[in-house]
Amino acid sequence: EDQVTQSPEALRLQEGESSSLNCSYTVSGLRGLFWYRQDPGKGPEFLFTLYSAGEEKEKERLKATLTKKESFLHITAPKPEDSATYLCAVPDSGAGSYQLTFGKGTKLSVIP
Amino acid sequence: EAGVAQSPRYKIIEKRQSVAFWCNPISGHATLYWYQQILGQGPKLLIQFQNNGVVDDSQLPKDRFSAERLKGVDSTLKIQPAKLEDSAVYLCASSPYPSGGFAGELFFGEGSRLTVL
Repeated sequence: EDQVTQSPEALRLQEGESSSLNCSYTVSGLRGLFWYRQDPGKGPEFLFTLYSAGEEKEKERLKATLTKKESFLHITAPKPEDSATYLCAVPDSGAGSYQLTFGKGTKLSVIP
Repeated sequence: EAGVAQSPRYKIIEKRQSVAFWCNPISGHATLYWYQQILGQGPKLLIQFQNNGVVDDSQLPKDRFSAERLKGVDSTLKIQPAKLEDSAVYLCASSPYPSGGFAGELFFGEGSRLTVL
């Protein structure tokens, strides 16, 4: 069964304190890994797609990287507005339609 | 561009009652998904539509949940009768990509929060 595990469950940072979130996965034939941001009371919002080991994507203070077994979301000099739950997801490894399996997320709190 | 619209935003019902949620996807998006998100968990897929046809409903509890997508646009998700464990946020998402294609970038609505007492 495909699995996505995110760590830590929660992370509390001071403003400007850089850190990384982890997403490990067990799927055969990875067809992409996706990062989403979810604010309280909102639906997830797409951030990045990574397709192959070594690939990196950046958006403002966020950088996502991918290895063969895990992905990292690096947050550089975070601001309070970066506080949210960050979800990663992978498509199911079965043939046919793409369906995303999400991890439980990492809840990030950035303190001023 | 208007986003995915969902209603109602909040619903409180007693167990064994019924409830229905409505979703209007982004115009032109062929693929529509319903996800269930229990507090502290990631979203879990319930059903996927391609236009007005069901692509996958293998994780939909069909004894109590039903969904339809009329004319390939709006969709409704119904729960009857509701159980306590159905308390969750029901998220609708749409994608411009057909099933079997790239589906990583989903556009989610704000969700409908259901509380079953």
